Amino acid sequence: NAGVMQNPRHLVRRRGQEARLRCSPMKGHSHVYWYRQLPEEGLKFMVYLQKENIIDESGMPKERFSAEFPKEGPSILRIQQVVRGDSAAYFCASSPVGGDTQYFGPGTRLTVL
Amino acid sequence: DQQVKQNSPSLSVQEGRISILNCDYTNSMFDYFLWYKKYPAEGPTFLISISSIKDKNEDGRFTVFLNKSAKHLSLHIVPSQPGDSAVYFCAASGGAGYSTLTFGKGTMLLVSP
Repeated sequence: NAGVMQNPRHLVRRRGQEARLRCSPMKGHSHVYWYRQLPEEGLKFMVYLQKENIIDESGMPKERFSAEFPKEGPSILRIQQVVRGDSAAYFCASSPVGGDTQYFGPGTRLTVL
Repeated sequence: DQQVKQNSPSLSVQEGRISILNCDYTNSMFDYFLWYKKYPAEGPTFLISISSIKDKNEDGRFTVFLNKSAKHLSLHIVPSQPGDSAVYFCAASGGAGYSTLTFGKGTMLLVSP
């Protein structure tokens, strides 16, 4: 009965370093979504991926951010050269098919010093 | 340009009474609506959803009502319990084949004994 797994749960980086956030979807789910939540805000969509494909990255900043969902292994959200404004909670969700209910992981809280 | 709005940041209700959380949306392309519940430092948990072809969906103590003409939905919790105290997010999806979710900013519900 494993749900969506995210690691690490907490990540501290200094400005200019790289952050890698991992997400393993629920068993049987091949659609993965990344969202970001800033303090006092709702969740904001970043990117939607299927295995080996980016379906929609319209919510992701054009620079420094990238995402992948390889054929084997977890989905990775990568933030290069982090800045203080990247500090937020990053949530991953998965669904069995596109358009179906999304189930969320516990999130990764990124703090940039 | 907030497409999903939850205008009440917080709501206080006594145990046993009804909690009514409201949500308005502006995008007429949305055709699927969801409510998520979120505790601090955890990911959102799916509660209940409704398709635009329905005006009501019920699951135990939770009922969601959809008024398409008013672009308004509400979540009713009855009877409310102290364990329901959390932040509730309204989310919407749909239009042009997209399945990504657009979230409101959330309403913090406090149920007192």
